[in-house]
Amino acid sequence: GDSVTQMEGPVTLSEEAFLTINCTYTATGYPSLFWYVQYPGEGLQLLLKATKADDKGSNKGFEATYRKETTSFHLEKGSVQVSDSAVYFCALRERNNDMRFGAGTRLTVKP
Amino acid sequence: DADVTQTPRNRITKTGKRIMLECSQTKGHDRMYWYRQDPGLGLRLIYYSFDVKDINKGEISDGYSVSRQAQAKFSLSLESAIPNQTALYFCATSDPRDRESRGYTFGSGTRLTVV
Repeated sequence: GDSVTQMEGPVTLSEEAFLTINCTYTATGYPSLFWYVQYPGEGLQLLLKATKADDKGSNKGFEATYRKETTSFHLEKGSVQVSDSAVYFCALRERNNDMRFGAGTRLTVKP
Repeated sequence: DADVTQTPRNRITKTGKRIMLECSQTKGHDRMYWYRQDPGLGLRLIYYSFDVKDINKGEISDGYSVSRQAQAKFSLSLESAIPNQTALYFCATSDPRDRESRGYTFGSGTRLTVV
């Protein structure tokens, strides 16, 4: 079945550092891919998405590119801020099936 | 008002008690979901409902039951709470006609502690 694997955390970075959180997926077809963010004490919010190969999703300085050849959707940000501290979830959804989530990666950014 | 509202936000209950977590939505979505979040385990699906008459078990439904009272309301019950059901619970909704791939809309969660 469909599945998502994302890098284990926690990840701790200094402010202004470069961020990469790896995400790979397994799917039988051509899923849509998502990154969700969960800030402390809150629910998950959609951060960005991509619906087909080579699409790049972007939001709030974060980017991820849908790479079909490597079945990956890595999340990147060039310069993280303390306010980016959160848990990040990679997810996929194939057609109208249920969404599959990764285990989440906790990011802590220190001043 | 939030699109997906969960009540209560926090609850402490005793072992053996019955407890209900409620979820209501204003998105007009047909599909609703209950997830459980434990540290390091990500989100695990408990139950989901595609419409009022269609309810399905997820990967960890044992010890839980649900009720879809209306399109907008989906409740999760713990018939006899036990300590290992201590977790953060999330309700989510989705639109099966999601042509723009908006994904799911989540509530803010209910933190449940069973003592």
